[in-house]
Amino acid sequence: AQKITQTQPGMFVQEKEAVTLDCTYDTSDPSYGLFWYKQPSSGEMIFLIYQGSYDQQNATEGRYSLNFQKARKSANLVISASQLGDSAMYFCAMRGYTQGGSEKLVFGKGTKLTVNP
Amino acid sequence: DGGITQSPKYLFRKEGQNVTLSCEQNLNHDAMYWYRQDPGQGLRLIYYSQIVNDFQKGDIAEGYSVSREKKESFPLTVTSAQKNPTAFYLCASSTREAEDYGYTFGSGTRLTVV
Repeated sequence: AQKITQTQPGMFVQEKEAVTLDCTYDTSDPSYGLFWYKQPSSGEMIFLIYQGSYDQQNATEGRYSLNFQKARKSANLVISASQLGDSAMYFCAMRGYTQGGSEKLVFGKGTKLTVNP
Repeated sequence: DGGITQSPKYLFRKEGQNVTLSCEQNLNHDAMYWYRQDPGQGLRLIYYSQIVNDFQKGDIAEGYSVSREKKESFPLTVTSAQKNPTAFYLCASSTREAEDYGYTFGSGTRLTVV
């Protein structure tokens, strides 16, 4: 079974600074995908970035980058130049499988990021 | 614009009542999912459907039921058998057509038992 661990319940960062949100994962599948989602207080889940297990380079999307260290089974999210609007819950997720063999997303418990002015 | 619409945004249920949460998508995605989110927890899978007229139980299906009569629609019924239904419910859909075949989520329904 797949498992995602996010060890930081809450993080604080000053506006315009960079912040790293930790994510470690466990899977026995040779091929897998890792996702990061942002959840503002309004509740919707916003897709941020994706990393495939066979991707040679770390994924980047604007101010978001994923520090993928396969041997350590970590997929940390780096947000550069933090903005007040980045304050939200952040979830790391992995593509996993149900007992019936169908695909599902497996989520960590999330990290609450607060950006201070 | 394509997306997922969940309604209502807020729902209040009395003890012993069944309630139905709506989820509609116009993304032409085959797969649809229902997740439950409790405070301080990640999302847990309730039910999923890969194609019309077929659905499977997820990790916490007890006390819930679903239907998938149309590709666009995947309603979730919270039955009176669900002992602790107060939670935030998220519907999602996915496609395998993109390499990163991401999941698109609705804006959620917050259910409260009164």
